[in-house]
Amino acid sequence: EIVLTQSPGTLSLSPGERATLSCRASQSVSSNYLAWYQQKPGQAPRLLIYGASSRPTGIPDRFSGSGSGTDFTLSISRLEPEDFAVYLCQQYGSSPPTFGQGTEVEVK
Amino acid sequence: QVLLVQSGAEVKMPGASVKLSCRASGYTFTSNYLHWVRQASGQGLEWMGTINPSAGTTRYAQKFQDRVTMTRDTSASAAYMEMSSLRPEDTALYYCARGSKWGYYYFDVWGKGTTVIVSS
Repeated sequence: EIVLTQSPGTLSLSPGERATLSCRASQSVSSNYLAWYQQKPGQAPRLLIYGASSRPTGIPDRFSGSGSGTDFTLSISRLEPEDFAVYLCQQYGSSPPTFGQGTEVEVK
Repeated sequence: QVLLVQSGAEVKMPGASVKLSCRASGYTFTSNYLHWVRQASGQGLEWMGTINPSAGTTRYAQKFQDRVTMTRDTSASAAYMEMSSLRPEDTALYYCARGSKWGYYYFDVWGKGTTVIVSS
């Protein structure tokens, strides 16, 4: 199965700053089938990005995804107070779908 | 509003079975696969398997192949996940999640999760 490694483990930033999160796959993700989720304490994950770079309806455009093959990035252009959370990547290009361990974006 | 409402917390003895439910509303139940994903405390998310509510067909992660059964009741817009031979390491938060409209295995709506505790 594909192992996803996210870095850094924790990102300490201030509101208004840009966040750049990495997700690296142990092998190429087929068709760039890579999703990103946001998870806050006590809540279920929330889909932010699918297909590496597509945003579902209702997700603010400050969230953007990029990358291909084995290296993917989630960027948050200007952090809002509600963006401080854990971010998870997930590949669905091969079975079983697998998740990364997450990057926590915390208030500096 | 699309919602997935999951059943309440369960406490089970090792070796027992548990059956969790997930009731869907706000969309056509048979249009999207339903998946089960678990999260043990301090651990990552782990995909367990999926059911096609329309056909009733299932696909399980190899790890759970022998212990998990997923079913659905289309009249109730509900999906169920039964796990047998429970072990303490099965203690986790179990989510049901709706698969994408086109059958891809990413998840656009999640339930709030059901806590399962396995302890003697």
